[in-house]
Amino acid sequence: EPEVTQTPSHQVTQMGQEVILRCVPISNHLYFYWYRQILGQKVEFLVSFYNNEISEKSEIFDDQFSVERPDGSNFTLKIRSTKLEDSAMYFCASSEQGLETQYFGPGTRLLVL
Amino acid sequence: SQQGEEDPQALSIQEGENATMNCSYKTSINNLQWYRQNSGRGLVHLILIRSNEREKHSGRLRVTLDTSKKSSSLLITASRAADTASYFCATDPKDYKLSFGAGTTVTVRA
Repeated sequence: EPEVTQTPSHQVTQMGQEVILRCVPISNHLYFYWYRQILGQKVEFLVSFYNNEISEKSEIFDDQFSVERPDGSNFTLKIRSTKLEDSAMYFCASSEQGLETQYFGPGTRLLVL
Repeated sequence: SQQGEEDPQALSIQEGENATMNCSYKTSINNLQWYRQNSGRGLVHLILIRSNEREKHSGRLRVTLDTSKKSSSLLITASRAADTASYFCATDPKDYKLSFGAGTTVTVRA
């Protein structure tokens, strides 16, 4: 069964460093998303992406964050200058259409020191 | 806020028993989805129920939706140890982002 994959599974970085989290959505899906879950807290929406542009973003998704679909298969989340509070599990998701089932990847656990 | 909120926060049952958890939300939705998360792992999609549906089944799962009460329930029948996980409802009111609740932690005792 097709699934969303994410790399790396774990990333440790120093505060102020840039990180890029990578995702490969399910191949025929058109909508892509990033969510995050701070330890012990709710899953929070960050951004949705369709037709090579951001369709919606949350207040969390400030200028330090960006997303890109550099080729036909990858979808990336970049954090330009990481902060301690960016430590979280980051989930990528994709859906065939909007308002349909979103399939989540296994997540990247980011730790900012 | 559009968030779904699950109730109870935690549930402990014996293997073979049924587990029921509820979700309430605040405004109208397009659909409601239930997810499972094993400790520290990813979110596994369980079931999607549309706003014009009242009940849906998938294997041992039964989901109901009452849009007049803005609530949904997830029933897991004949629970197994492998059902031990956190369960979340997620709503998408009028856009594509999902709003998650805090989840119900289910522990199935052998």
